[in-house]
Formats: sequence, structure tokens, C-alpha cells
Amino acid sequence: DAMVIQNPRYQVTQFGKPVTLSCSQTLNHNVMYWYQQKSSQAPKLLFHYYDKDFNNEADTPDNFQSRRPNTSFCFLDIRSPGLGDAAMYLCATMRGASNQPQHFGDGTRLSIL
Amino acid sequence: GNSVTQMEGPVTLSEEAFLTINCTYTATGYPSLFWYVQYPGEGLQLLLKATKADDKGSNKGFEATYRKETTSFHLEKGSVQVSDSAVYFCALSDNSGYSTLTFGKGTMLLVSP
Repeated sequence: DAMVIQNPRYQVTQFGKPVTLSCSQTLNHNVMYWYQQKSSQAPKLLFHYYDKDFNNEADTPDNFQSRRPNTSFCFLDIRSPGLGDAAMYLCATMRGASNQPQHFGDGTRLSIL
Repeated sequence: GNSVTQMEGPVTLSEEAFLTINCTYTATGYPSLFWYVQYPGEGLQLLLKATKADDKGSNKGFEATYRKETTSFHLEKGSVQVSDSAVYFCALSDNSGYSTLTFGKGTMLLVSP
């Protein structure tokens, strides 16, 4: 049973048109992460939430925003997607304690026309 | 800062061959170490983990031992299968409050019948 669910699996949007990706979890984990992964590269952390505490990575573009309305859901908003934002976006969760692994969803593949 | 170095791929093996994927790390303190596997078009799945020196993580025939003296966490499997073809990521967590992951660049494994 999927525990970290990302919707949709594939998303196509137009250059400059805002898009929202969603992530939900049934694990009741208090930490949630968003990663960007481009072809043949490792995932790159964009930001994460520890409960409601939002942490932005220093090099995450301002074009990327996130919302976490409750424990179960987290959203990634791309305000004005550029061609360079085409990538796989991965959501992950973690129980907020030492030595815990992160649990990943299957990702959303974003294409920009 | 923290870093993870993996051997470059692709690693190409015949079925039933022995697999080693090298991973070394640089970190302060006592990180936890992980191997994740990513099948085409999917998210990352935790393969195994080790949280302290000399721990051995194992799963599905894969093993890795946390070697603090050589700062290594090499992945091994005695007999690979075609279904093991995937990208393997070595990662560390510094066990700070937010436990962000530092990934290696990933190693693609291709197993032929």
C-alpha cells in the first residue's frame, strides 16, 4: 500500500503557467520534503517542513513555494515555470527522530511546453 | 560540509555475478548511512541502512557495512538478477534536527540475462 502518494504522476504545463503538485502521506510523519530530480542526477532538496516549521534551501529559486495545510498534505507551487523546471519532483516523509530513513513517493514528472 | 562519493556507472553485469558499488563519505559527527534504489520512472526506495559504526544493513540479498575507519559503506550482492537493474544512491544523514540527506550521484546497474 502506497504510504506517500503524489498526484498527478505526470503533469504538463505551459511556460509561465502556475502549477501545483501535491503529496499526501498516511504515515503520520512530522517531516515532509520536496526534491527536484533531473535526468541522471541525484535528488536536490528544495525545502522541507518539520511540523509547521518551513525550511527553505538557500539555492531554491523564489519561483518555488510550498504549503502544508496539515500533517498529511504538502503542496509544491511553481509560480511561473520555465523550461529549466522540467524534472521529476519527489516528495518524502520522515518520522522526526534520529537515524530515521526518508520514505519517498513515486514522484511527479513535470513537462513544460 | 557533508559529501558522498559513489563509483561512476553504469555497472554492467551478467546475471548471477557478484556486485560491489563503492561509496565513501565525509561527515562530521556520527551520520546514519543509507542505500536507496530507484527503478525507472519511480521514486526512491530504501534498500538498507546502518546507524553506527560496524553495523551491517541487509535487505533482499544486498548488504553494506558501516566502516568508520575507512568512511565507507560499500553495497554488495552475491548474485545479481535482471530485476536488480536500477540506479542505486548512497546517502547520509547527519542526524541533526531536520536530518536532511546528502546523496551521492547515483550508480546505474545494468544486469543482462
